[in-house]
Amino acid sequence: EPEVTQTPSHQVTQMGQEVILRCVPISNHLYFYWYRQILGQKVEFLVSFYNNEISEKSEIFDDQFSVERPDGSNFTLKIRSTKLEDSAMYFCASGQDSHTNEQFFGPGTRLTVL
Amino acid sequence: GNSVTQMEGPVTLSEEAFLTINCTYTATGYPSLFWYVQYPGEGLQLLLKATKADDKGSNKGFEATYRKETTSFHLEKGSVQVSDSAVYFCALRGNQGGKLIFGQGTELSVKP
Repeated sequence: EPEVTQTPSHQVTQMGQEVILRCVPISNHLYFYWYRQILGQKVEFLVSFYNNEISEKSEIFDDQFSVERPDGSNFTLKIRSTKLEDSAMYFCASGQDSHTNEQFFGPGTRLTVL
Repeated sequence: GNSVTQMEGPVTLSEEAFLTINCTYTATGYPSLFWYVQYPGEGLQLLLKATKADDKGSNKGFEATYRKETTSFHLEKGSVQVSDSAVYFCALRGNQGGKLIFGQGTELSVKP
């Protein structure tokens, strides 16, 4: 069964460093998302991406964040200068359409900023 | 704006007990509603969904009915198992599609 994969599973970084979180969505999906879950809190939407551009972003997704689909298979989230409060589990998701079909989630990357 | 509210956990039940996890929502129009499950150390998996009023989603013995009159989508299971121990998230997707909006999650612990 096709699945969304994410690497790395755990990333530890120093405050102020740049990190890139990687995702490989399901191959025939067209819509891509990033969410995050701070420990013990709800899952929050960050950004959605369709047709090689951002279709929606939350207020969390400020200028420190960017997304890219560099080669038609990977979907990356970059945080330019990490802060302590960026520590969270980051989930990538993909879907065939943006309405009724489900979003398929990856296993997540746990980001720890020291 | 759209939002989802779930009953607080943790919920602790004995095996074979009846489960209800309450979920209510606020949304304009006709959202689609979902229950996702997160087993320890894993990502989110879709458990069931309903896309219009009075639809009942069901999977693995779990079910939930989309009630527009009460803006609810409560999750139920008649007889829980230890393997059902997980965190359950109610979520909605609005009229415009796109992002999912999640509730805060309810942790379920089932004891043998």
